[in-house]
Amino acid sequence: TQLLEQSPQFLSIQEGENLTVYCNSSSVFSSLQWYRQEPGEGPVLLVTVVTGGEVKKLKRLTFQFGDARKDSSLHITAAQPGDTGLYLCAGYNNAGNMLTFGGGTRLMVKP
Amino acid sequence: DTGVSQDPRHKITKRGQNVTFRCDPISEHNRLYWYRQTLGQGPEFLTYFQNEAQLEKSRLLSDRFSAERPKGSFSTLEIQRTEQGDSAMYLCASSFATGTPVYGYTFGSGTRLTVV
Repeated sequence: TQLLEQSPQFLSIQEGENLTVYCNSSSVFSSLQWYRQEPGEGPVLLVTVVTGGEVKKLKRLTFQFGDARKDSSLHITAAQPGDTGLYLCAGYNNAGNMLTFGGGTRLMVKP
Repeated sequence: DTGVSQDPRHKITKRGQNVTFRCDPISEHNRLYWYRQTLGQGPEFLTYFQNEAQLEKSRLLSDRFSAERPKGSFSTLEIQRTEQGDSAMYLCASSFATGTPVYGYTFGSGTRLTVV
């Protein structure tokens, strides 16, 4: 079973601060995705990383896939209250037919 | 296309009753997934279909749970003899089936089940 561990589980920061969320596993993933989920809604895809060492930027969000494709990080610069939500990392199994999700990082950005 | 639709959004049922949820995926997507999410946790895989074939089931899917996708379009998830531990958000997602899994899932808004 491929497991993904996210840290921290909870993060409460002030508007304007920077933060990094981590997603770690002992398994290699063919690709890894990050989702954001708001209360009462389903997760929404933010990004997919495929190549080891890959870095992708989405406005103030920077995503990195580890060289060995076992871990990933999400860095948010100058967080805003609209960034509040549950951030989930998810990796495809070797067969590429199913996503395994981490436990999530719940972020609260206070104005 | 309006995305993935799930019905109902909320369901309260008494312990021991049967419940059925429906999911309408994006029409072009041939894969459909069911996940369960408890409060503060990430989604846990239950089962998935490619067209009408159910290709994989998690061991979380006890014999009280059954899922169907009869015509390769909408899907239903039935829970028989509900227990309080079944209380959770049940999420449906759909995606393309590709050789390279760079495409993400499109999730519905979920059905929140409360068993009292």
